[in-house]
Amino acid sequence: NAGVTQTPKFRVLKTGQSMTLLCAQDMNHEYMYWYRQDPGMGLRLIHYSVGEGTTAKGEVPDGYNVSRLKKQNFLLGLESAAPSQTSVYFCASGGISGDYYGYTFGSGTRLTVV
Amino acid sequence: AQSVTQPDIHITVSEGASLELRCNYSYGATPYLFWYVQSPGQGLQLLLKYFSGDTLVQGIKGFEAEFKRSQSSFNLRKPSVHWSDAAEYFCAVGARSGGGADGLTFGKGTHLIIQP
Repeated sequence: NAGVTQTPKFRVLKTGQSMTLLCAQDMNHEYMYWYRQDPGMGLRLIHYSVGEGTTAKGEVPDGYNVSRLKKQNFLLGLESAAPSQTSVYFCASGGISGDYYGYTFGSGTRLTVV
Repeated sequence: AQSVTQPDIHITVSEGASLELRCNYSYGATPYLFWYVQSPGQGLQLLLKYFSGDTLVQGIKGFEAEFKRSQSSFNLRKPSVHWSDAAEYFCAVGARSGGGADGLTFGKGTHLIIQP
């Protein structure tokens, strides 16, 4: 049972390039989340999804897009990367009935935009 | 909007000494409360959570936390720290409505350093 898997683990982008981060979970969770972690800022919610085909904005959504075409996958896209998007990105999933906030976190994707 | 304050950015504790990490929250009602730990280069691991009932919550790795409604606090404690406890600790809150769908609001974290 892999839990939450993030791909890739590391990436360096040039300003203006695009990329997609993949989050895959095998726990049949309804909810999935993308957070970014910056030094001294904790984790901030970018976007989230409460079910297949749904997405919603979190605290810091600008510059990012997401899609949840399949229940097990949640994609985070950067259309035109900026240095301000240099961060560590964490995906989480949860939402089993009766286990509020039983979140499982992935191990993170470290993104550097130069 | 809900918010979480962790007043201490860094804390240094000697191995074997007791530990208390502070967390204060701002929320219209009593939220769900959490403590997570993050070891270097790793994801987040849940230490403990408070939903209701007994205000003293036991977690993994010998940690406990006490919810104090009057102080809007949820401080994390451990009677005797080990070198392996060195990590980043995050307090988080979640709304009671919506069944956890809206995600968590995290504090900025406290970096724990253990002195030999």
